[in-house]
Amino acid sequence: GQNIDQPTEMTATEGAIVQINCTYQTSGFNGLFWYQQHAGEAPTFLSYNVLDGLEEKGRFSSFLSRSKGYSYLLLKELQMKDSASYLCAVREYDSWGKLQFGAGTQVVVTP
Amino acid sequence: NAGVMQNPRHLVRRRGQEARLRCSPMKGHSHVYWYRQLPEEGLKFMVYLQKENIIDESGMPKERFSAEFPKEGPSILRIQQVVRGDSAAYFCASSTLTENTEAFFGQGTRLTVV
Repeated sequence: GQNIDQPTEMTATEGAIVQINCTYQTSGFNGLFWYQQHAGEAPTFLSYNVLDGLEEKGRFSSFLSRSKGYSYLLLKELQMKDSASYLCAVREYDSWGKLQFGAGTQVVVTP
Repeated sequence: NAGVMQNPRHLVRRRGQEARLRCSPMKGHSHVYWYRQLPEEGLKFMVYLQKENIIDESGMPKERFSAEFPKEGPSILRIQQVVRGDSAAYFCASSTLTENTEAFFGQGTRLTVV
């Protein structure tokens, strides 16, 4: 099984950068996902990492270190609409696609 | 190409009634996953299905909960004799099963047991 930890809440101002860390323990790693979830809505896919390194996609970047069991999601040039919960999820090897989610990090963007 | 469709969006049931939640996967997706999200908690995996097969039900409570994905029609998550603790948001996700693929989530069904 897995243990996935991420901070409960982070606050940042509009235009700033925020980094959301995620640590995990797994018996067989096969990919890490980041999802964004606005209150009352469905999670939407942001990024996927299976190899070490940085994946950049516009204002969002995600980093993975498999040896450290560590990932982060970097949000740049924050906008008010980025206020949401950010979910870290891990897929285990041979888990047939199911994901184990962390509890989520609530990001609050202030003017 | 419509996304993952779940209905109803909101469902209110009295204790002891049955709840039926429906999920139609995205076109071309043959893999369906059900997750439950309790208030202030993360998404918890419940069950993974392919057409006419339950692949992994390790997250399903042993009693009262069942799921199916028939050859025709949507996937159904059924909760019998609901209790207040079943109140949660139930999300369905679908995917193809290739490497580097993400799961796409539906809007969820918010079940309230009164």
